[in-house]
Amino acid sequence: KQEVTQIPAALSVPEGENLVLNCSFTDSAIYNLQWFRQDPGKGLTSLLLIQSSQREQTSGRLNASLDKSSGRSTLYIAASQPGDSATYLCAPLGGATNKLIFGTGTLLAVQP
Amino acid sequence: DGGITQSPKYLFRKEGQNVTLSCEQNLNHDAMYWYRQDPGQGLRLIYYSQIVNDFQKGDIAEGYSVSREKKESFPLTVTSAQKNPTAFYLCASSANGGRQGGTEAFFGQGTRLTVV
Repeated sequence: KQEVTQIPAALSVPEGENLVLNCSFTDSAIYNLQWFRQDPGKGLTSLLLIQSSQREQTSGRLNASLDKSSGRSTLYIAASQPGDSATYLCAPLGGATNKLIFGTGTLLAVQP
Repeated sequence: DGGITQSPKYLFRKEGQNVTLSCEQNLNHDAMYWYRQDPGQGLRLIYYSQIVNDFQKGDIAEGYSVSREKKESFPLTVTSAQKNPTAFYLCASSANGGRQGGTEAFFGQGTRLTVV
């Protein structure tokens, strides 16, 4: 059964800092991995999708890497802003279960 | 606009009642998913469907039922057998589910169900 762990569970940083969010998963036989953002009381917004054949994907100030063999992905946020405050979730897709499985997320607070 | 629409946004249920949550997508996606989110917890998979007229149980299917009669629609019924239904329910879809080279999953804005 795929299990997904995200570290840290919560993070508070001053505006302007660069930061790294970590995601690990137990079943490395995945097709892709997706990073999402969730604002309080809202649905999930897709940030980045990394295919299993890729090692990195970038969108603006966000960069996500994937090391499938070690079961790890990281989300790098450059020059953080208060508007980045949200919960960030990773979800590998596929593997033995062929489902989209989520970690518990990292709650990020960026202080002005 | 293309996307996923969940309705209603808020729903109140009395004890012993069945209620149905709607999820519609116009993205022409094959796969659709239902998740439940409780405060301070991650998303847990209830049911998923990778093709019309077929669906599979997720990790917490007990007390829920679904149907997939049309590609664009995947309604979730919360039955009276679900003992603790108060939660935030999220629907998602993706182009080809778990097949190789799977595409992005997109989410609706959720339905908040409260038992009164």
